[in-house]
Amino acid sequence: GQNIDQPTEMTATEGAIVQINCTYQTSGFNGLFWYQQHAGEAPTFLSYNVLDGLEEKGRFSSFLSRSKGYSYLLLKELQMKDSASYLCAAMDSNYQLIWGAGTKLIIKP
Amino acid sequence: GAVVSQHPSRVICKSGTSVKIECRSLDFQATTMFWYRQFPKQSLMLMATSNEGSKATYEQGVEKDKFLINHASLTLSTLTVTSAHPEDSSFYICSARVLAGSYYEQYFGPGTRLTVT
Repeated sequence: GQNIDQPTEMTATEGAIVQINCTYQTSGFNGLFWYQQHAGEAPTFLSYNVLDGLEEKGRFSSFLSRSKGYSYLLLKELQMKDSASYLCAAMDSNYQLIWGAGTKLIIKP
Repeated sequence: GAVVSQHPSRVICKSGTSVKIECRSLDFQATTMFWYRQFPKQSLMLMATSNEGSKATYEQGVEKDKFLINHASLTLSTLTVTSAHPEDSSFYICSARVLAGSYYEQYFGPGTRLTVT
């Protein structure tokens, strides 16, 4: 079957760094997506990885290891506005997104 | 990135009535759109995949006669919740898939919060 696993909730301090892990099992693979979703709002696209390695985009970086079925989202210099849910999604061979349940990130001052 | 709009953003209706939600891709053509439902503190649940000019593909457990989907053009898909009941109250989000270079990206509309009284 297809499955995405990510932690339910994480807590971090403003200004610090946090890494949100995601493991996936899909029928075929066409990339790994990370989305941010604030409470009451729709998800917004953060990153896409299809090749192994690290993609950096400002304060956010995303890493992929296809052989391990593993990805992480790294957030640096955390700000209070980063408090949100972070959704990991893998695209399968049919180009359908398989969604994780999301990781709620709580930022404390 | 590509922009997807959704209308209305909020709707309150009485039990037994029908509600139509529109999803538009504003600056691109979307051959495939997706409809999701999200209950509080839960993840997105895919309801159906909508391809322009053909019948939508519904996920298991989603009643196609209750959730009518029409994808009549490359920029518009509609979801009609027929004979709505309080348990249909939820956050409905549409998404459009677009080919970006050699891979697909998926962009979301802002969502529609439906409350059935």
